[in-house]
Amino acid sequence: DAKTTQPTSMDCAEGRAANLPCNHSTISGNEYVYWYRQIHSQGPQYIIHGLKNNETNEMASLIITEDRKSSTLILPHATLRDTAVYYCIVREYSNSGYALNFGKGTSLLVTP
Amino acid sequence: NAGVTQTPKFQVLKTGQSMTLQCAQDMNHNSMYWYRQDPGMGLRLIYYSASEGTTDKGEVPNGYNVSRLNKREFSLRLESAAPSQTSVYFCASSDGTGNNSPLHFGNGTRLTVT
Repeated sequence: DAKTTQPTSMDCAEGRAANLPCNHSTISGNEYVYWYRQIHSQGPQYIIHGLKNNETNEMASLIITEDRKSSTLILPHATLRDTAVYYCIVREYSNSGYALNFGKGTSLLVTP
Repeated sequence: NAGVTQTPKFQVLKTGQSMTLQCAQDMNHNSMYWYRQDPGMGLRLIYYSASEGTTDKGEVPNGYNVSRLNKREFSLRLESAAPSQTSVYFCASSDGTGNNSPLHFGNGTRLTVT
């Protein structure tokens, strides 16, 4: 049962890079790391996911360590609209198939 | 392309009343999910449907039933609502049945049971 550990909260100044860490030391070889965010009780928004290689899209970059035991989500130029709860999820097969198992996440506050 | 659409957005029920939450997706996705989120908590899976014609229980299925009406639609029914079912309900869909297809979420139904 691969679980993740994230800081409860973080701050970031507007315009700076936000680096959100996640530990997943029990991840298995075929389990993907997913990142979602949730802005003020809206539906969770998909950001990015990866298996081993670093990934980048228009929203963020995902850096996965070589041993896959941790990862970092990078928002390169944080804006006030990036204030949200960010969830790091290891997508594993369980009694619920491949459904995502959400933890408490990191509450990111972007300040002016 | 609306993505995942949930109706209604808000609902107030009295204890014992029944209702059905509707969810539809226009992305031709195979898998659909129902989650609930209570204040200050993460999302918990109620039921899911890996493909059209199949449904399975998630972490918190008691008090709910689901119907995968067709590939597009996945409804959640509360037969006899209880105050403990006051929550925000999110529907999601994903293309594949494996772990390399992101889930895409609707904007939720906010349900209050008095």
